[in-house]
Amino acid sequence: DGGITQSPKYLFRKEGQNVTLSCEQNLNHDAMYWYRQDPGQGLRLIYYSQIVNDFQKGDIAEGYSVSREKKESFPLTVTSAQKNPTAFYLCATKDISSYNSPLHFGNGTRLTVT
Amino acid sequence: DQQVKQNSPSLSVQEGRISILNCDYTNSMFDYFLWYKKYPAEGPTFLISISSIKDKNEDGRFTVFLNKSAKHLSLHIVPSQPGDSAVYFCAASAGGTSYGKLTFGQGTILTVHP
Repeated sequence: DGGITQSPKYLFRKEGQNVTLSCEQNLNHDAMYWYRQDPGQGLRLIYYSQIVNDFQKGDIAEGYSVSREKKESFPLTVTSAQKNPTAFYLCATKDISSYNSPLHFGNGTRLTVT
Repeated sequence: DQQVKQNSPSLSVQEGRISILNCDYTNSMFDYFLWYKKYPAEGPTFLISISSIKDKNEDGRFTVFLNKSAKHLSLHIVPSQPGDSAVYFCAASAGGTSYGKLTFGQGTILTVHP
């Protein structure tokens, strides 16, 4: 069935290690987004991509990197430079052929760095 | 700078009554507004949206009202059901180069008591 798959659901890493979060979609949406959620806060945009091989920084891109080599995949790397990496990470997609279409979200990856 | 604010962290309502969730925004460039519902450890799911050319949009038990002069929107749920208990986020987007990017509020935890 169509959807957005984020894996793994829970991820644990030691401080100083880079970690890559996976996001795969089969909705055939051009645009993909990474958001971060912290307790008591709204979702904040990390990076987004509207087309293959192109992406833009969001509001909190420092310490993160992304790639968009194919339409279906938008992996996010949390680098050791990210000061507070422990958070709930959400991937989303959008059909950009329609302006008034919502973002569709995956079920998230909870990253814990100790 | 919090451009979208949900000033009530939580709301408690009796089953069958009306739930009213509020959201304020500061950016006058926002022209499309959405409400999402989120359960713990899951991604947000789209609920209802409204364009800035309208002041009301209804979908079953859910109605969103937009007051552009006050930069305020609200979500009404009537009648409220225990299954509506979740975190509700309002979000807003602007056109132009911000196409597809959503700015989220902090969320309101709704609890509907049987």
